[in-house]
Amino acid sequence: AQSVSQHNHHVILSEAASLELGCNYSYGGTVNLFWYVQYPGQHLQLLLKYFSGDPLVKGIKGFEAEFIKSKFSFNLRKPSVQWSDTAEYFCAVIKGANNLFFGTGTRLTVIP
Amino acid sequence: SQTIHQWPATLVQPVGSPLSLECTVEGTSNPNLYWYRQAAGRGLQLLFYSVGIGQISSEVPQNLSASRPQDRQFILSSKKLLLSDSGFYLCAWSLGGGRDQLFGYTFGSGTRLTVV
Repeated sequence: AQSVSQHNHHVILSEAASLELGCNYSYGGTVNLFWYVQYPGQHLQLLLKYFSGDPLVKGIKGFEAEFIKSKFSFNLRKPSVQWSDTAEYFCAVIKGANNLFFGTGTRLTVIP
Repeated sequence: SQTIHQWPATLVQPVGSPLSLECTVEGTSNPNLYWYRQAAGRGLQLLFYSVGIGQISSEVPQNLSASRPQDRQFILSSKKLLLSDSGFYLCAWSLGGGRDQLFGYTFGSGTRLTVV
């Protein structure tokens, strides 16, 4: 079945550590890829998106993600996390018209 | 600027009671509107989407229904709630007309529904 997988359910890091959150999708063909973040008590916000072109995408707040087509992956990275990055992160895919499908999310806890 | 309002924020309802969750969008016209649900331990699941007034598409068979009585209003309903309807419900909008993929989606703040 077509799906979006985020294998890390909960990640705990100390401040200044590097972050990489995995995202794999199983859709064939052309896809558009997103990372969303939900900070505690807030609604989902778009971190970054990939549609075409350079597979290394820069987002807000120092986040980036790399689209590797051969691996069906779109991992999220940040070289040095901060306490304020504590949140839940969702990978999402658009396949075809309109509809956005999400992974199960990864909760990131950053310890000061 | 565009904003999206969703209410209530939390709701506790008994099994068999009706449900009505409302979502409104401001600052845009003819948006695509969506209802998503996040059940415990699972990802966000698309429930309904609408590309215009009175046009509703359902992604999964369920105990819920949706309506779009006005261009910027999207309502999620149930006549009789089940325990399995508990979850976190998110409304979202995107630009219509096929351009939405360029801009991503904007979500409301969500409603935490607990059916007891």
